[in-house]
Amino acid sequence: EVQLVESGGGLVQPGGSLRLSCAASGFTFSSYSMNWVRQALGKGLEWVSYISTSGLTIYYADSVKGRFTISRDNAENSLRLQMNSLRAEDTAVYYCVRRGDYGDYWGQGTLVTVSS
Amino acid sequence: EIVMTQSPATLSVSPGERATLSCRASQSVSSSLAWYQQKPGQAPRLLIYGASTRATGIPARFSGSGSGTEFTLTISSLQSEDFAVYYCQQYNNWPPPYSFGQGTKLEIK
Repeated sequence: EVQLVESGGGLVQPGGSLRLSCAASGFTFSSYSMNWVRQALGKGLEWVSYISTSGLTIYYADSVKGRFTISRDNAENSLRLQMNSLRAEDTAVYYCVRRGDYGDYWGQGTLVTVSS
Repeated sequence: EIVMTQSPATLSVSPGERATLSCRASQSVSSSLAWYQQKPGQAPRLLIYGASTRATGIPARFSGSGSGTEFTLTISSLQSEDFAVYYCQQYNNWPPPYSFGQGTKLEIK
């Protein structure tokens, strides 16, 4: 069974940092590109970042470029999102999503709240 | 960036009836279109990809159609568990961003 389990969310002050992790199991993690997608409370879905199978090709939404860093560890079946210089508008549930195009499996999400 | 527009924002339908949801792209996305269902407190679930291919385990009452800029998700006979928010997403342009529609809330009439 495919499982994606996010962790690392929480409350952080504006300007602070947080690192999200996604533990993958039930499939060959190294064979899939991955994405992070976020959703502010009561709002729609927003794509955040993409990483290829090897980790060599990476893209970011303009809203997070220069502040967020996506990475992966294929040996540990893990996806990460390092978030720096956090802003109130980054407050959202962050989902780890399998596949580089459409998301066939989604984690349950982890809530990031940026507030003083 | 390709803008995805869904209509209507809210659709009220009675159980057992048919629901038709629309999604329009600001430029052609070929058939690179996915539909998701999201229930309160849950992650989105993939329903349709490639505009018309049902994902694994999705009931046959869900069907997708369209290509280019106009797409439709049809639920043939609504069950109680189908009342949720539905999102379309295009994945045609490369590199990302892959844009989502703003969602259609399907509610019980």
